[in-house]
Amino acid sequence: GAGVSQSPSNKVTEKGKDVELRCDPISGHTALYWYRQSLGQGLEFLIYFQGNSAPDKSGLPSDRFSAERTGGSVSTLTIQRTQQEDSAVYLCASSLPDRVGQPQHFGDGTRLSIL
Amino acid sequence: GQNIDQPTEMTATEGAIVQINCTYQTSGFNGLFWYQQHAGEAPTFLSYNVLDGLEEKGRFSSFLSRSKGYSYLLLKELQMKDSASYLCAVREGGATNKLIFGTGTLLAVQP
Repeated sequence: GAGVSQSPSNKVTEKGKDVELRCDPISGHTALYWYRQSLGQGLEFLIYFQGNSAPDKSGLPSDRFSAERTGGSVSTLTIQRTQQEDSAVYLCASSLPDRVGQPQHFGDGTRLSIL
Repeated sequence: GQNIDQPTEMTATEGAIVQINCTYQTSGFNGLFWYQQHAGEAPTFLSYNVLDGLEEKGRFSSFLSRSKGYSYLLLKELQMKDSASYLCAVREGGATNKLIFGTGTLLAVQP
């Protein structure tokens, strides 16, 4: 497909379990972002990957959250020992190399529900 | 600190014009984006402003005043399908291209 692909689209899990969310960016997009969207809140930045540079992890809310990007393409966001407050929609976006005005293209997100 | 303010909800009539305002206070500024998000779907890019003034794209226009920390999105000839959330986002610049988002404005278009 031509767009950003995320899987799974929905995930329900018990508190304390680990979850892994996947993002397939648009081919050729070297920049990849993860955001979180909670009910009634704006999108919250989590982490940014750009090419081979060290990722910007400044938005990760705790050390239970981690992300990696293998081969400059697919990325996985891992949440360990999930808590109820982790329930949200996790959105991935990608863009071409940073130039002024380069928009980020979003996937449909993974809706995560922690019971 | 970082603060981006938008009205929470707006209602408008099919065929009319609506203006959605966004004010921002951020530590840096390197462009402002507007996105449209239908319920349960991905945000989709609408417009980008980095210089003061008006950018027009068909039925959608976006305006920016950097000195006032203010932007608006103008939607003309409203259609029912324009019912969605409209997200204002500022790129602070620096090493990261991350966007700082407002909470979004939920627009309801009525017949």
